[in-house]
Amino acid sequence: EAGVAQSPRYKIIEKRQSVAFWCNPISGHATLYWYQQILGQGPKLLIQFQNNGVVDDSQLPKDRFSAERLKGVDSTLKIQPAKLEDSAVYLCASSLGVGPSGQQYFGPGTRLTVT
Amino acid sequence: KQEVTQIPAALSVPEGENLVLNCSFTDSAIYNLQWFRQDPGKGLTSLLLIQSSQREQTSGRLNASLDKSSGRSTLYIAASQPGDSATYLCGFNAGNMLTFGGGTRLMVKP
Repeated sequence: EAGVAQSPRYKIIEKRQSVAFWCNPISGHATLYWYQQILGQGPKLLIQFQNNGVVDDSQLPKDRFSAERLKGVDSTLKIQPAKLEDSAVYLCASSLGVGPSGQQYFGPGTRLTVT
Repeated sequence: KQEVTQIPAALSVPEGENLVLNCSFTDSAIYNLQWFRQDPGKGLTSLLLIQSSQREQTSGRLNASLDKSSGRSTLYIAASQPGDSATYLCGFNAGNMLTFGGGTRLMVKP
């Protein structure tokens, strides 16, 4: 079974530029998550999708971050414009069901550096 | 607001030692708790998942316990090996998302 795929793996941009990340969850997984992990900290949830609907985006900085999950499969996370404090690893995860008790499977992450 | 704390933040042990990593949480309304391993520059690998109705889970040299009344979970690693060197994260699931601790960076010296 293929795991969660993310691209790119690394990205370096200047502040005020825009960037987009892509995630392909495990086939058949209904729930998809985007997390932000700042160096030395645990991941923090940005947004959760069930199929193509948003369940929780309370911690997403909506003035600059946006995310979508078209057709309930792949997802993209966009930052526009980027700030220095957005430097982090962006992790995508998926789980099989729509209930709260499912195990989450994580992708390798995209490391973003904003200069 | 749920808070998850992991102690110690870093740990260095000689090969072969048994060790315990701690995770504490403030909200007892828990669905499950997951322990993850993260190698440098990599994503998270799930090690063990404990549902709220369970008290412990075992996989090989790893054993995780859950005590909801005290708000604690422990990850026990038996006979540690250099390949166990990584950051270990606990994630608390209260229903709609995982809240993570800051992690414990483990170094096992040969």
